[in-house]
Amino acid sequence: KAGVTQTPRYLIKTRGQQVTLSCSPISGHRSVSWYQQTPGQGLQFLFEYFSETQRNKGNFPGRFSGRQFSNSRSEMNVSTLELGDSALYLCASSLDRGANNEQFFGPGTRLTVL
Amino acid sequence: GQQLNQSPQSMFIQEGEDVSMNCTSSSIFNTWLWYKQDPGEGPVLLIALYKAGELTSNGRLTAQFGITRKDSFLNISASIPSDVGIYFCAGQLRGSQGNLIFGKGTKLSVKP
Repeated sequence: KAGVTQTPRYLIKTRGQQVTLSCSPISGHRSVSWYQQTPGQGLQFLFEYFSETQRNKGNFPGRFSGRQFSNSRSEMNVSTLELGDSALYLCASSLDRGANNEQFFGPGTRLTVL
Repeated sequence: GQQLNQSPQSMFIQEGEDVSMNCTSSSIFNTWLWYKQDPGEGPVLLIALYKAGELTSNGRLTAQFGITRKDSFLNISASIPSDVGIYFCAGQLRGSQGNLIFGKGTKLSVKP
């Protein structure tokens, strides 16, 4: 079974631009979560989608948004990029069945904002 | 926000040594997960724990879900060079689907 895939793997943008990142979950997984990883703050939760609905949201500004499609694929968008948005963005998928909360991560998208 | 205190921050290992790391929190979690991350890659799930007191092994790795539900530890026995990397604990609060709270990580390096 293929793992979680993320595209693109690397991205360079300038301040003020916007960016869209894509995530394809493991087949059969309906929950997709997004995280931002930086050296200073570590791994921080952005939001989680299940059946095309945002179920949970972290403490990030409204410039960070996401969506999920009917095939469970998910995208996240960051508008008006700031230098501090440079980070590794990780997507994780989960079966989310009963007590099973195991999340499996993709390789991430490395975003650099200049 | 919620925080997990993970210790130690870093440690040096010599091949064959046993390694221990732990995470504590002021909050009660219903799930504890342990991940390993290598440079340039996403975290890889090592062990998942769902019940207080649960002790689970995965090869040379053993992890426990604390009785108070506020802590967890991970042990690596007879370490080998490929064990180097960053280990993260992560916890999920009841009712907080898809939202894992991560520790800051324990970096394992090889003794020079």
